[in-house]
Amino acid sequence: EAQVTQNPRYLITVTGKKLTVTCSQNMNHEYMSWYRQDPGLGLRQIYYSMNVEVTDKGDVPEGYKVSRKEKRNFPLILESPSPNQTSLYFCASSFYLGQGSTGELFFGEGSRLTVL
Amino acid sequence: GNSVTQMEGPVTLSEEAFLTINCTYTATGYPSLFWYVQYPGEGLQLLLKATKADDKGSNKGFEATYRKETTSFHLEKGSVQVSDSAVYFCALSDTGGFKTIFGAGTRLFVKA
Repeated sequence: EAQVTQNPRYLITVTGKKLTVTCSQNMNHEYMSWYRQDPGLGLRQIYYSMNVEVTDKGDVPEGYKVSRKEKRNFPLILESPSPNQTSLYFCASSFYLGQGSTGELFFGEGSRLTVL
Repeated sequence: GNSVTQMEGPVTLSEEAFLTINCTYTATGYPSLFWYVQYPGEGLQLLLKATKADDKGSNKGFEATYRKETTSFHLEKGSVQVSDSAVYFCALSDTGGFKTIFGAGTRLFVKA
């Protein structure tokens, strides 16, 4: 079954304690991206990756890091989480269509993070 | 820059009512347009899409037509069901942008 898998689904942590949210896809997609979803703001892109070892900032990258060492995995790292990073996070993947355009996004089920 | 604006919710309808959720966009190129749906506790999933002007996307009774002259992509369904209760997101993917831009989402409640 084609899917994007995120872990953990729920996490409560404290300010400053490093955490990693994993994301894995089994569709051989070149493009992967992280979004955060906040009430009234829709989805905002944090980081994206066009392929292995190629990553770039989205609209709200502050406080986050990513890596793309393998095509299937795209972990999101919060080195020193703060309460304003409390949010619902989604990983998504897609084929790359060329000329900077991506196709339909496939989403994970989301990771709800609370930073106290 | 590129942007997507959709009507604020929540929208509350009775079963079998007609649904319209408005969506307009701003883009510099020739974007592809999407509607995604998010059911409670789940991730987003593609509902329908259109890749060029005058294309009509359709799925599960929902339709939307890519109107370049009015820069719109309104979502419609002739008869909603309780199971359609969800949050609906309009989105665009433009050339050169390396990303999909989402509207704020519209929550739909359908009452039996």
